[in-house]
Amino acid sequence: DAGVIQSPRHEVTEMGQEVTLRCKPISGHDYLFWYRQTMMRGLELLIYFNNNVPIDDSGMPEDRFSAKMPNASFSTLKIQPSEPRDSAVYFCASSLGQAPFRQYFGPGTRLTVL
Amino acid sequence: GDSVTQMEGPVTLSEEAFLTINCTYTATGYPSLFWYVQYPGEGLQLLLKATKADDKGSNKGFEATYRKETTSFHLEKGSVQVSDSAVYFCAKGSGGGADGLTFGKGTHLIIQP
Repeated sequence: DAGVIQSPRHEVTEMGQEVTLRCKPISGHDYLFWYRQTMMRGLELLIYFNNNVPIDDSGMPEDRFSAKMPNASFSTLKIQPSEPRDSAVYFCASSLGQAPFRQYFGPGTRLTVL
Repeated sequence: GDSVTQMEGPVTLSEEAFLTINCTYTATGYPSLFWYVQYPGEGLQLLLKATKADDKGSNKGFEATYRKETTSFHLEKGSVQVSDSAVYFCAKGSGGGADGLTFGKGTHLIIQP
């Protein structure tokens, strides 16, 4: 299996622009998680889905952030408008229902907002 | 709220030294506990886990024992190698259902030859 795929790997944008991060989970996995990693706050859970349905979005920092999962093989995390404090590495992870805590992480997207 | 606390890094050791990275947690009930490792430029990988008190997780020479009395899950390795250099994250899950993990801030381990 190819593992969790994220794109782009690096994104540099200017403040105020819209940013869309993409994730393809491992085929057959029914849970998908979005995390953000910063030096100051460490690794934070933003939102997670089960069978394409958002279950808990309490970690989403504010209304500028939104996430969708239109089908079992694709999810997006959108920031609109972006701000410099959104600069971080964003990870997507997926897992299988029978072993919910074995999460498989993608390589991450490094976002820099200037 | 529930949290995971692990020792600050970086931790610098010589090859073949003994490693301990401390991890403690707060939670209601008895969550599953995990250690994940992140190599440079990569995502996190599960290193080991323990799902109930007194369980010992082990993998690649690393071990950690679930201690409910001290709410701890310290990571140990008897003889580290340069290839063990990475960031190590302690994490906890809940006792039931599939929700996201709560991670510690990570400990950067540097092994010098």
